[in-house]
Amino acid sequence: EDQVTQSPEALRLQEGESSSLNCSYTVSGLRGLFWYRQDPGKGPEFLFTLYSAGEEKEKERLKATLTKKESFLHITAPKPEDSATYLCAVHPFTSGTYKYIFGTGTRLKVLA
Amino acid sequence: NAGVTQTPKFQVLKTGQSMTLQCAQDMNHNSMYWYRQDPGMGLRLIYYSASEGTTDKGEVPNGYNVSRLNKREFSLRLESAAPSQTSVYFCASSEVWTDYGYTFGSGTRLTVV
Repeated sequence: EDQVTQSPEALRLQEGESSSLNCSYTVSGLRGLFWYRQDPGKGPEFLFTLYSAGEEKEKERLKATLTKKESFLHITAPKPEDSATYLCAVHPFTSGTYKYIFGTGTRLKVLA
Repeated sequence: NAGVTQTPKFQVLKTGQSMTLQCAQDMNHNSMYWYRQDPGMGLRLIYYSASEGTTDKGEVPNGYNVSRLNKREFSLRLESAAPSQTSVYFCASSEVWTDYGYTFGSGTRLTVV
């Protein structure tokens, strides 16, 4: 069964304290892996798409990496405005063209 | 702003009442989706529409119906609301395949009492 697991569920960091969020996945074949940011009371907002092992994408303080079993979202020197829930989603070959499988997210709180 | 617009933002229903959640997108996307988000459960697909004129069930379709009214609009109907349908509902749209994943609306927070 295709599955996505994110860890930790919640993470508290001091401003400037770098860390990583994990997204482990089990799929028969991966079309793509997506990272989203979700602020309270809002819909998820697209961050990155990764397609193959070894690929990396960067945006400001965020860097996403991909292996055959997991993806990491590295946050370097975070600021309070990085506080949000970060969601990972996979698009498996077996799900058909249109359906993603989402993880339950990591709630990140960055303290000033 | 371009994007996905959902109405209403909040709604309280009594058990057994019906309602329709509205969704419209102005990005000329072919595919549209309805998800529900519950604590600890993640986002779960209710129904999707790959293109205008087609709809298909997702992971949790029971108790819901959908209508793809045209390319822009995709509505979700609860015929007889139940407390288990208390959730936050998100509409999303995308191209058939895209580097940018889905574009989500801001959500409808529904409480069924």
